[in-house]
Amino acid sequence: NAGVTQTPKFRILKIGQSMTLQCTQDMNHNYMYWYRQDPGMGLKLIYYSVGAGITDKGEVPNGYNVSRSTTEDFPLRLELAAPSQTSVYFCASSYDRGEAFFGQGTRLTVV
Amino acid sequence: DAKTTQPTSMDCAEGRAANLPCNHSTISGNEYVYWYRQIHSQGPQYIIHGLKNNETNEMASLIITEDRKSSTLILPHATLRDTAVYYCIVRGDYKLSFGAGTTVTVRA
Repeated sequence: NAGVTQTPKFRILKIGQSMTLQCTQDMNHNYMYWYRQDPGMGLKLIYYSVGAGITDKGEVPNGYNVSRSTTEDFPLRLELAAPSQTSVYFCASSYDRGEAFFGQGTRLTVV
Repeated sequence: DAKTTQPTSMDCAEGRAANLPCNHSTISGNEYVYWYRQIHSQGPQYIIHGLKNNETNEMASLIITEDRKSSTLILPHATLRDTAVYYCIVRGDYKLSFGAGTTVTVRA
């Protein structure tokens, strides 16, 4: 089992560009989450999903979009990147409210 | 979900037990207490969770007070590798939201 896999690991974007952060899990978990973590700060929930076709906003959803067309994949889309979106992004999955497994993160810099 | 309050930081001597407190005075009956930790810049790691009974696993013990308004995570024999930020989370529904956590430094 690979667990939760995030790609890419690092990315530099120019202001106004768009990109998709990929997240896939092979544990057949129904819940999936996206977080961002700014330097020296805690994790902030961006979006979450309780199953394919169902997504909901977290604490900081502005500037992001998600989709959940399959159980395995939960991509995060950044439209019109801004310097304020420079952060480390973590994806996670769990079975219901059980143990959540996290990916290794994507370090994004917007310049 | 109920709000949690944790100390900002604490030190612990290697080999000794580390006791990490968490207050959650507004917790409701169907909300669980979860603990995660984050070592350096890695993704958070699950430690333990419980509803009302004390819980123990290979990593730690979780002691929840009878009124459920506070809890303590116990690392029985802290090692240098336990240096991390520890998050206490109260969770009732789908969301898993992190606060600021406690920075624990284990010293030799």
